[in-house]
Amino acid sequence: TQLLEQSPQFLSIQEGENLTVYCNSSSVFSSLQWYRQEPGEGPVLLVTVVTGGEVKKLKRLTFQFGDARKDSSLHITAAQPGDTGLYLCAGAGKNDYKLSFGAGTTVTVRA
Amino acid sequence: EPEVTQTPSHQVTQMGQEVILRCVPISNHLYFYWYRQILGQKVEFLVSFYNNEISEKSEIFDDQFSVERPDGSNFTLKIRSTKLEDSAMYFCASTIRETDTQYFGPGTRLTVL
Repeated sequence: TQLLEQSPQFLSIQEGENLTVYCNSSSVFSSLQWYRQEPGEGPVLLVTVVTGGEVKKLKRLTFQFGDARKDSSLHITAAQPGDTGLYLCAGAGKNDYKLSFGAGTTVTVRA
Repeated sequence: EPEVTQTPSHQVTQMGQEVILRCVPISNHLYFYWYRQILGQKVEFLVSFYNNEISEKSEIFDDQFSVERPDGSNFTLKIRSTKLEDSAMYFCASTIRETDTQYFGPGTRLTVL
């Protein structure tokens, strides 16, 4: 199993501030996916990044895949209370495609 | 938009009983997965399934677990004799190609008493 370390574990910010969540590993991934999970529900896909150095934007969310495909970040600009939730990163291995999940970052955006 | 569905949403069972968790993957997907998430812990891989056989399984997926695709639409996870530590959310996922994004169902919360 490939380990993915997510940081920080908890993040509480004021509405309008920016935040960044990090996902790091010593392993190389063929792709990395970011999900958002509400309590008692399944992970909902936000984005998949595949190419080293790739940057994808989804409205106020910016996702980056490291050049070596070992790390990724999620940046939220001008956070809103609706961004509150658990954000998970999950990497697919190079030779097997099962997902290894990070422990998640709980984001709280205060109005 | 097509989605993965799972039933039941919540299953309560007595220790030692058999349970079957059901999933309907997205219709044109070919690769199927089960993951579980114990309360407060990471999502963990259990098993992957393709072409009517298991592709890979984790250490968690012991002889008490089995998977089946009994028809063209359902994908099931059976736990033969449940233990207290099997209590968790169980998620089914599917993808069209092994290298593609996996889409998750809403999960089944299994509570073993």
